[in-house]
Amino acid sequence: AQSVTQPDIHITVSEGASLELRCNYSYGATPYLFWYVQSPGQGLQLLLKYFSGDTLVQGIKGFEAEFKRSQSSFNLRKPSVHWSDAAEYFCAVGRDFGNEKLTFGTGTRLTIIP
Amino acid sequence: EAGVTQFPSHSVIEKGQTVTLRCDPISGHDNLYWYRRVMGKEIKFLLHFVKESKQDESGMPNNRFLAERTGGTYSTLKVQPAELEDSGVYFCASSLISSRGRYEQYFGPGTRLTVT
Repeated sequence: AQSVTQPDIHITVSEGASLELRCNYSYGATPYLFWYVQSPGQGLQLLLKYFSGDTLVQGIKGFEAEFKRSQSSFNLRKPSVHWSDAAEYFCAVGRDFGNEKLTFGTGTRLTIIP
Repeated sequence: EAGVTQFPSHSVIEKGQTVTLRCDPISGHDNLYWYRRVMGKEIKFLLHFVKESKQDESGMPNNRFLAERTGGTYSTLKVQPAELEDSGVYFCASSLISSRGRYEQYFGPGTRLTVT
């Protein structure tokens, strides 16, 4: 069975600092990988996704993530965070057959300090 | 284009009562998913509709939960009778049908259910 681990429950960074949120997955085949963000009072919004090809994927809001098969990781990065990035971030994995459920991690809550 | 909408946004009910949650997917999205997040835990899959048919209901916790999608449009999730452990945020998501799963799931804002 597939699983996703987000080891950091809560991260605090200063505005303008760089950010890396960790995600490790367990899956027996080629995964589809996603990062979603949930701002207060909002639904989950897709930041970026990896299906195949280039292992460094660019997303919205200046985020990027790198798929490392050897480490079973899909870490999310941003070079300089903004106060509006404060939210909860979820990593998810889907199967390669499509149209199927996503398996999520427990989420990482990001706090930005001025 | 309207996104996925869910109603109500919040619901507080007593143990033993019935609650019905509604999800309106994006028009044209034949895939509809229900997920739930219990406080502090991961978002967990409940079930998946393709049009009006249940494709996968492996995540439904027990027979107190009943999901329907009549006509393949909106969906309802009924909890009857509600228990304390049913509290959480219920998310609905929808997506287009794809042979290779390359269409993202669009999520609604969720319904926060509190059972007291």
